[in-house]
This record gives sequence, structure tokens and C-alpha cells, in this order.
Amino acid sequence: KAGVTQTPRYLIKTRGQQVTLSCSPISGHRSVSWYQQTPGQGLQFLFEYFSETQRNKGNFPGRFSGRQFSNSRSEMNVSTLELGDSALYLCASSSRQGRSEAFFGQGTRLTVV
Amino acid sequence: AQSVTQLGSHVSVSEGALVLLRCNYSSSVPPYLFWYVQYPNQGLQLLLKYTSAATLVKGINGFEAEFKKSETSFHLTKPSAHMSDAAEYFCAVSVVQGAQKLVFGQGTRLTINP
Repeated sequence: KAGVTQTPRYLIKTRGQQVTLSCSPISGHRSVSWYQQTPGQGLQFLFEYFSETQRNKGNFPGRFSGRQFSNSRSEMNVSTLELGDSALYLCASSSRQGRSEAFFGQGTRLTVV
Repeated sequence: AQSVTQLGSHVSVSEGALVLLRCNYSSSVPPYLFWYVQYPNQGLQLLLKYTSAATLVKGINGFEAEFKKSETSFHLTKPSAHMSDAAEYFCAVSVVQGAQKLVFGQGTRLTINP
């Protein structure tokens, strides 16, 4: 079974631009969640989607958004990029809602210059 | 609210020595707890999980953890460290909010000395 796939692995963007990151979950998994990892703040929850519906959202500004498609693939978008958005963005998939284990992708390293 | 505290941002042990990484949690409900490992420029790999069954949980790569409710702890151990264990380790608690959400500790970087 293929794992969680995130594309691209690396991105360099300029302040003010927007960016879209993609995540393909493990086959059969319907829950996809996103996390931001930075040296200063650690791992922080962004949002989670289940069956195309956003179920929970972390404490991030509205510039951060996401969506999930009918095949469970998910995208997250960050608009009007700021230097502080530079981070490793991790996607995780789970087989169901609730407190099941999450399987993570390799992440997308976003650098904002 | 659920939270996790990892004691020691950096732990260094000799190859062959015992590895002990500490994690304490706070949870208003019976917790589900996880340990993940992260190698440089990689995502998180699940080491083991506690979901209210056996209190001693065995994971991959020879790691295990013991859930102690009285101490609100879930420390990770390995009897004999290998050079390949050098990585960052994260303890996490699953939050029950009708959704999949993990709250992570700040991580512990494990260094193995030859």
C-alpha cells in the first residue's frame, strides 16, 4: 500500500504570492489533516477534512485554507505569503474520524523570500 | 485542554546504552497517546500508540512505552541504543473533538555517541 504522498517536496515563493500544496492520502483513508512545523512553534495543527468537509481548524489566519476532493486528495492554500510562513507542511491521513493513528507524508518544505 | 510536555529538548546517550525519553500529558478524558520519530528532512513515522488497552506498549525498532495514569506519563524507552536511532522524537495526544487532531510536544532530539 502506498503511503501518504505530498507534492511538491520543496517550494520557494516570494512574499505576497500564494501557494497550493497537495496531499494524496493512503488508499481508503478518508481523513486528511495538515500540520505546520517550524523551529520556534513546533508542530501545529492547521485543519482536518473528512469526506470533503472541514471538521476542525487550528488557530491560523484566514490566509490558510484547504479543501478535500471526492477521492480524498486534499490541497491547502496559503495566500499573501509572509516570511513567517516558511515551514515544513505535513499532511497526515487516517482511516476514520476520531482518535485513530495518523500516517504522515514526507512534507513540503516552503521557503518564503 | 489536552497538552503534552517532553522533558529535555536534547538527550545524548552512548551506543548500547538505555534510551529514555520523557513525556507527560494533560488530558480531561482518557488519553490516546502516540510516539513519532522524525529523521532529517522527513515526515513523521509512528513508533507506537496507546489506546487504553495494555499499559506497556511495544513499537517498532525495539522501542516501547509505558502508560502510567497516576504519573500522567508515557515515557519512551529502548534497552540498547543504535546509531540509527539518532533522530527527533515527538510525543502526541489525540484530542477528542469529533475530528482527527494531534497535539504534539516540543520534541526531543536524540544523539547517539559512538
